[in-house]
Amino acid sequence: EAGVTQSPTHLIKTRGQQATLRCSPISGHTSVYWYQQALGLGLQFLLWYDEGEERNRGNFPPRFSGRQFPNYSSELNVNALELEDSALYLCASSLANDRDQETQYFGPGTRLLVL
Amino acid sequence: DQQVKQNSPSLSVQEGRISILNCDYTNSMFDYFLWYKKYPAEGPTFLISISSIKDKNEDGRFTVFLNKSAKHLSLHIVPSQPGDSAVYFCAASEDFGNEKLTFGTGTRLTIIP
Repeated sequence: EAGVTQSPTHLIKTRGQQATLRCSPISGHTSVYWYQQALGLGLQFLLWYDEGEERNRGNFPPRFSGRQFPNYSSELNVNALELEDSALYLCASSLANDRDQETQYFGPGTRLLVL
Repeated sequence: DQQVKQNSPSLSVQEGRISILNCDYTNSMFDYFLWYKKYPAEGPTFLISISSIKDKNEDGRFTVFLNKSAKHLSLHIVPSQPGDSAVYFCAASEDFGNEKLTFGTGTRLTIIP
């Protein structure tokens, strides 16, 4: 069974540009989560999408946005990039309607570097 | 404000001995806790979890202990093996559905052969 996939693996942008990160969940999973792992801050929750809708977002400015497509894949967009946006961005998926599902399955991440 | 704290950024343990990783939290609304393990260039993988109605959960070599009054949990690995060398993240959520996880900063465990 294929796991969560993310693309690209690495992305280099300059300040002020926009970045688009992509995630494909495990087949059958309807929920997608985005996390940011910045140096010294652990994993910080960014966004949760389920069935095409944004269900929750973490404490990030509006220039972090995203969407979920009908096939449940997702995009994370970061506008007006700032140097501190440099981080590893992780996507995870789960079966949102299964309350016994204890875990989120993570992808390998996209490493974003803002120069 | 770091609601989940792992105060030891790194830990080295001899192979065969017990590894103990600690995690503290400040949010009293957290009632479900998880440990994830992360190898370089990979996403975190789920290891073990515990809900607040329990104080211990065991799965093979891994045991998680929860002390709600102290807002503290720990992960015990015994015996430690070289393949256990990784970064371990503690995570917490306010409900069992774990839609929104709050993670600690991680502890890098190195098992010395």
